Amino acid sequence: QAVLTQPPSASAAPGQRVTIPCSGGDSNIEINYVYWYQQFPGTAPKLLIQRSSQRPPGVPDRFSGSKSGTSASLVISGLRSEDEANYYCAAWDDSLSGWLFGGGTQVTVL
Amino acid sequence: EVQLVESGGTLVQPGGSLRLSCATSGFIFTSYAMNWVRQTPGMGLQWVATISGREDRTYYADSLRGRFTISRDTSKNMLFLHMSSLRADDTGVYYCAKDNVVTTRPDLAGFDYWGQGALVTVSS
Repeated sequence: QAVLTQPPSASAAPGQRVTIPCSGGDSNIEINYVYWYQQFPGTAPKLLIQRSSQRPPGVPDRFSGSKSGTSASLVISGLRSEDEANYYCAAWDDSLSGWLFGGGTQVTVL
Repeated sequence: EVQLVESGGTLVQPGGSLRLSCATSGFIFTSYAMNWVRQTPGMGLQWVATISGREDRTYYADSLRGRFTISRDTSKNMLFLHMSSLRADDTGVYYCAKDNVVTTRPDLAGFDYWGQGALVTVSS
């Protein structure tokens, strides 16, 4: 399917772990890399995970990404208050010849 | 230091046209593909278009192809988005964004630098 699906929200207590799933299809996630972006209100997105599991320079190792089949996940370990933001997955779709973004997941630190 | 600065966002009437610009610096402009991504009110991110680094190959979101055109001026390190037949649901913040690797395949690159965004409001 040519859509990426994320839950609208996720939450956990400080220090805990939160997992954000991203569900796609055989023309996007299954055959292409997944990218994750972090966005705070009123600011531009920031690249958090590239090529499904790689962290760009400067991204803390509390953030990790993985992919299996038509799904991907972003895990934030040791959750901090400053991690409250929206998180988006993205993947190239071969059938559309274009990028798909998930709907975004708002992470709340309880 | 890489910098992307959008301009041209404004209030425009339905059916009108508008050109957004993105001034870039701090990297070899001709080596990297460039992208436009928009964010509509209360909604998430939507990819708009990509132009490749060396061949000027272009890619568009299906729903916008024919109304939106991405282009670049390599002599000025500028990226553009020309939008026509604008509708109310085109209202949003438009970001230009740079690929993070030099590649001819758009699927191999994420977007590592973004501009501050240009607000486009389509309303009568």
